[in-house]
Amino acid sequence: NAGVTQTPKFRILKIGQSMTLQCTQDMNHNYMYWYRQDPGMGLKLIYYSVGAGITDKGEVPNGYNVSRSTTEDFPLRLELAAPSQTSVYFCASSYDSQTGAFFGQGTRLTVV
Amino acid sequence: KQEVTQIPAALSVPEGENLVLNCSFTDSAIYNLQWFRQDPGKGLTSLLLIQSSQREQTSGRLNASLDKSSGRSTLYIAASQPGDSATYLCAARGSNYQLIWGAGTKLIIKP
Repeated sequence: NAGVTQTPKFRILKIGQSMTLQCTQDMNHNYMYWYRQDPGMGLKLIYYSVGAGITDKGEVPNGYNVSRSTTEDFPLRLELAAPSQTSVYFCASSYDSQTGAFFGQGTRLTVV
Repeated sequence: KQEVTQIPAALSVPEGENLVLNCSFTDSAIYNLQWFRQDPGKGLTSLLLIQSSQREQTSGRLNASLDKSSGRSTLYIAASQPGDSATYLCAARGSNYQLIWGAGTKLIIKP
């Protein structure tokens, strides 16, 4: 039972480069989320999705894009990476809004 | 706007002690509140989920309570062990279905 799988675990980007963080869940969850966690801070919601084909902005969406073409996958795209995007990124999923969320292991991204 | 606060930011106690971690939230209109554990460099592990209609949940040595009227949740850890050392995060799910997070309490259990 894999749960929520994120790739890659680590990545170093140069300013202006682009990349996609992958997230897959095998629990048939409807809700999926992307968060970022900065040192000493709580997690901030970037984007979320309540089902395939539906996405919405969270608290800190600028500089990111997402898509949800299938129930399983919820990739996060960074365009024109900036140092301010250096953070740890977590993908999560839940069956609905009432149930608990399950998290991936995180992606540590450094933009230099 | 919902805000979640965890105090203290760090806590160090001797092994074997019972301890309480605090989580407060400003908007009582929550659907549920969840406690997580985060180990260094790792993801988040869900510990307990309390629905808005519940007062407490228990799992092993952990007990979480919820008091919506006062905007507080506590996580009680009994007979603490060095393996309990981690950062503990609480998150409140509000009316827009988003999770709002506290900054966490870093717990160190000294052998």
